Parts: sequence; structure tokens; C-alpha cells
Amino acid sequence: DAKTTQPNSMESNEEEPVHLPCNHSTISGTDYIHWYRQLPSQGPEYVIHGLTSNVNNRMASLAIAEDRKSSTLILHRATLRDAAVYYCILFGPQGGSEKLVFGKGTKLTVNP
Amino acid sequence: NAGVMQNPRHLVRRRGQEARLRCSPMKGHSHVYWYRQLPEEGLKFMVYLQKENIIDESGMPKERFSAEFPKEGPSILRIQQVVRGDSAAYFCASSPILIHNNEQFFGPGTRLTVL
Repeated sequence: DAKTTQPNSMESNEEEPVHLPCNHSTISGTDYIHWYRQLPSQGPEYVIHGLTSNVNNRMASLAIAEDRKSSTLILHRATLRDAAVYYCILFGPQGGSEKLVFGKGTKLTVNP
Repeated sequence: NAGVMQNPRHLVRRRGQEARLRCSPMKGHSHVYWYRQLPEEGLKFMVYLQKENIIDESGMPKERFSAEFPKEGPSILRIQQVVRGDSAAYFCASSPILIHNNEQFFGPGTRLTVL
């Protein structure tokens, strides 16, 4: 399985931007970069995904490096509700095994 | 359009009993995935099913665990003769078709406690 590396934890203040980094130096050309988050005591929730170009949606932005070996999830204005574990996942053809492989993720703490 | 539904949300079983966890995917979704999250650990893939077929069960323990996704009705994850180590949160996810430019929608999970 392709691997991603994320910091164990990050801290932010409410209403400030947050940049969550992810390294994925072994990414293959067919891998999409997906981000999910898991709020306390809840199931994972899709955030955003991309392939090569930067992506924006109502929740966040995804900035992908030109060589695709790293990406950054950007929360433009953190709220208390954004406190969660954020997972960066490479998702691509796996020869019939189409599972999401979750690492340890980054635990984001948002201070009021 | 209702999201992925799982029931029960909480399940308590004594050692040796059977646990049945149900997952109703989102309407129109024919791909179902089960993941397990042990206390203080990350999510681990268990099994991937399409209607009436198990596609990948590489994450399923070899014994006591089974899964099905019948033509009609919800997907079922069945754990026979539960042990304390089975205590975990079990999450189901669904997707409409299998392409990687697509998200998986997760349910709220079933929290299994084995006494």
C-alpha cells in the first residue's frame, strides 16, 4: 500500500487558517489524494480529493505539489467543529482491492 | 437521500455470544466496505463487498468473522463467539461505483462492547 506521512498533531486558534501537510513520496501516477476527517465518536467524513490540480470545495482547499510528492489541506478559518483527526490517503487501483488505508492521521486541536 | 445507516449503534455482548452488525448503504450504492477501529487505534479495512459478492476480505480475521451483502437487504457483519478483543467501533462505508475519483460515505458506526 502507498504510504503517507503526517504530523501526529497540530494546534490552531479559532478563525485562523490551518495548513495540514502530508508527504507521499511513493505516490503513483494513478493515485488520487484523498482527505478524510473523523470527529470524536463519529464515523470518518470525506473532506476533499484531487489528482494533480489544486482543488477547492465548501469545506477546504487542497494544494498539491507539482511533483505530487506532497500535499496540504487548508482550512481557511478553523472553527471548534473542525477539531478532528485528519487522514491523508492515497487511493488508486489496487488490483481488485479497493480499500482506503488509514494511517494515524493528524489530530487537530482548535483553541477558542 | 438518507446517509449510510448502521444498527445497532451500540451493542453489548457477553463472551461466546454472536454479534450481528447491519449496514444499509446509501440509495443507489452497490459497494460496501467494513472497517474496524480498536480503542485508541486507527481504522483498519476488513472487507469489501458488492451485491452478493465478496470482493476483498483480506482484512477479516480468519475465524469467527463473516460478511454478506445480499441482493435484498442490508449488509451484515457477523461475529461468532465474541471475545473481549472484538470490542471496537465497526464502521460501514458505501460508494456508488468503483472509481477512485469518488468518495466513500461512512455510517455512524456500531460500538461493540464484549463483557
